[in-house]
Amino acid sequence: NAGVMQNPRHLVRRRGQEARLRCSPMKGHSHVYWYRQLPEEGLKFMVYLQKENIIDESGMPKERFSAEFPKEGPSILRIQQVVRGDSAAYFCASSLVAGIVPGTDYNEQFFGPGTRLTVL
Amino acid sequence: AQSVAQPEDQVNVAEGNPLTVKCTYSVSGNPYLFWYVQYPNRGLQFLLKYITGDNLVKGSYGFEAEFNKSQTSFHLKKPSALVSDSALYFCAVRDGSNTGKLIFGQGTTLQVKP
Repeated sequence: NAGVMQNPRHLVRRRGQEARLRCSPMKGHSHVYWYRQLPEEGLKFMVYLQKENIIDESGMPKERFSAEFPKEGPSILRIQQVVRGDSAAYFCASSLVAGIVPGTDYNEQFFGPGTRLTVL
Repeated sequence: AQSVAQPEDQVNVAEGNPLTVKCTYSVSGNPYLFWYVQYPNRGLQFLLKYITGDNLVKGSYGFEAEFNKSQTSFHLKKPSALVSDSALYFCAVRDGSNTGKLIFGQGTTLQVKP
């Protein structure tokens, strides 16, 4: 069972370009979370999606950022008109369920290797 | 609002010595706590979690953590450190909503010297 996959692993964009980051969750997982890690900082929650639905986007910047998780295919985090401040590592995590089920690993989030975005 | 604090940016320990990486939390309701490890240019790997039950939680690679409700702490420990344990460690608490999102501490760099 492959883990969470993210691509590309490294992405370089010039200011004003668009960045598309892809995340394929673990097989059977329908809950996807995106986190951002700015240099010298911890991870910050961005958005939580469940197949075809955005459940919580409270951590997403209001402009230029969007996310989707279509019925078929990977989850996409899209950043339009990138700026230097968008340079960061973007991590995706997936889980089987969102709620706590004591005694099981169902709610555990498995992380992908991340996409490191550099904006020139 | 839920929050997590890791008071030390870096912890240095000699190989073979015990190590402790500190974490304190603030939650409303039951705390669901996690430790993750990040090696350079890699994603996060799950180490252990506290949901309910015994205060001493055992996890991967010989790590354990002690949940202390009165001190609102969840310190990560290992009896004998290895050089290969050198990495960035994150404590996290589950958000109080039902979404499952995690709130992370700033991270603590563990440096184990031979």
